[in-house]
Amino acid sequence: AQSVTQPDARVTVSEGASLQLRCKYSYSGTPYLFWYVQYPRQGLQLLLKYYSGDPVVQGVNGFEAEFIKSNSSFHLRKASVHWSDSAVYFCAVSAGYQNFYFGKGTSLTVIP
Amino acid sequence: GGIITQTPKFLIGQEGQKLTLKCQQNFNHDTMYWYRQDSGKGLRLIYYSITENDLQKGDLSEGYDASREKKSSFSLTVTSAQKNEMAVFLCASSIELGASAETLYFGSGTRLTVL
Repeated sequence: AQSVTQPDARVTVSEGASLQLRCKYSYSGTPYLFWYVQYPRQGLQLLLKYYSGDPVVQGVNGFEAEFIKSNSSFHLRKASVHWSDSAVYFCAVSAGYQNFYFGKGTSLTVIP
Repeated sequence: GGIITQTPKFLIGQEGQKLTLKCQQNFNHDTMYWYRQDSGKGLRLIYYSITENDLQKGDLSEGYDASREKKSSFSLTVTSAQKNEMAVFLCASSIELGASAETLYFGSGTRLTVL
């Protein structure tokens, strides 16, 4: 069965620090992987997605993620966070035909 | 660009009441979805629809009905609201049928409270 695990429910970092949000997935086939962000009182917005090619994918606002097949991971990274990055981040895997599986989310707080 | 509009933004109901949530999209997307978001539980799929008049059950369909009478709209009905229920219902759409790598576009949600 497909699943997504985000082991950190909450992460707090200082502004300007680097960031890594962890995501591990379970899927038997070729995964289609996504990171979404949810700002307060809003729906989810796509940050980046991966389905083939270069395992490091670039997204919006300086975010990137690396697909490591051997570790079944798709961690999200940013070199220097800003207070406006405070939000909830969701990792997701698509198993095809609209079957998206979402992790439980990681709530990021950036301290100014 | 397009937008997904969910109405109402806030919905307060009584136990046992039938409640309807509405969603409109102007992307001209084929596929639409309803997800339920509970705190600390991520998103769970309730229903999706790959074209008008099509309905497919998700993992959480029990207690809900859905309707897709037009390509641009997708409504969700809570058939009997449960007391103390609180959740956010998110509507989403995507452009292609069955395309795994397609992006989901989300509305801002309907926040349900049941008294």
